[in-house]
Amino acid sequence: GAVVSQHPSWVICKSGTSVKIECRSLDFQATTMFWYRQFPKQSLMLMATSNEGSKATYEQGVEKDKFLINHASLTLSTLTVTSAHPEDSSFYICSATLTGGVDPNQPQHFGDGTRLSIL
Amino acid sequence: GQNIDQPTEMTATEGAIVQINCTYQTSGFNGLFWYQQHAGEAPTFLSYNVLDGLEEKGRFSSFLSRSKGYSYLLLKELQMKDSASYLCAVRDPTGGFKTIFGAGTRLFVKA
Repeated sequence: GAVVSQHPSWVICKSGTSVKIECRSLDFQATTMFWYRQFPKQSLMLMATSNEGSKATYEQGVEKDKFLINHASLTLSTLTVTSAHPEDSSFYICSATLTGGVDPNQPQHFGDGTRLSIL
Repeated sequence: GQNIDQPTEMTATEGAIVQINCTYQTSGFNGLFWYQQHAGEAPTFLSYNVLDGLEEKGRFSSFLSRSKGYSYLLLKELQMKDSASYLCAVRDPTGGFKTIFGAGTRLFVKA
């Protein structure tokens, strides 16, 4: 089955640091990947849709300059949290589908998530 | 607006059957998905429905009624390891085939 790999799984760093999270599709090409954030006991909130070779589409209320997304290849998307602060501490999860989300028969496959803790 | 509702918490007994309901209101519809999420982990795919009716997959079944904006996930022969959050999600083709998640139902299975 489709596998999505996310790295790192856990990050603890000081306030003001920029953190890069990688999301890779291991056995398929993903023209579209999705980035979610989840706070404790809350739902997954879509932050942005990452499109290979073009700019990401951000959801309302998500700062583009704060959360930089790069999707330079068909198997890799990165999310960089710039100048992270304690309020950015959360569980960040990426996902991808085999067909970019168009086929309803294809579910999203999630990476294992990255737990970000900003001190 | 986009809205997906499901109960916050449910408790059931090992070996029993539990039904988790989900109602949704979205601009468009391109499939409904159920995911299981254990604490601190990413969601794992359980089932999907795109047409009305019941889909069965081992101990898990999922039902969809598009006219009612309603789905349920049925878990049979509950096991302790089924204690987790269950997320209802709808894929909306308007605005780029985004998948919208409900807040999840935390299921506690007791002995």
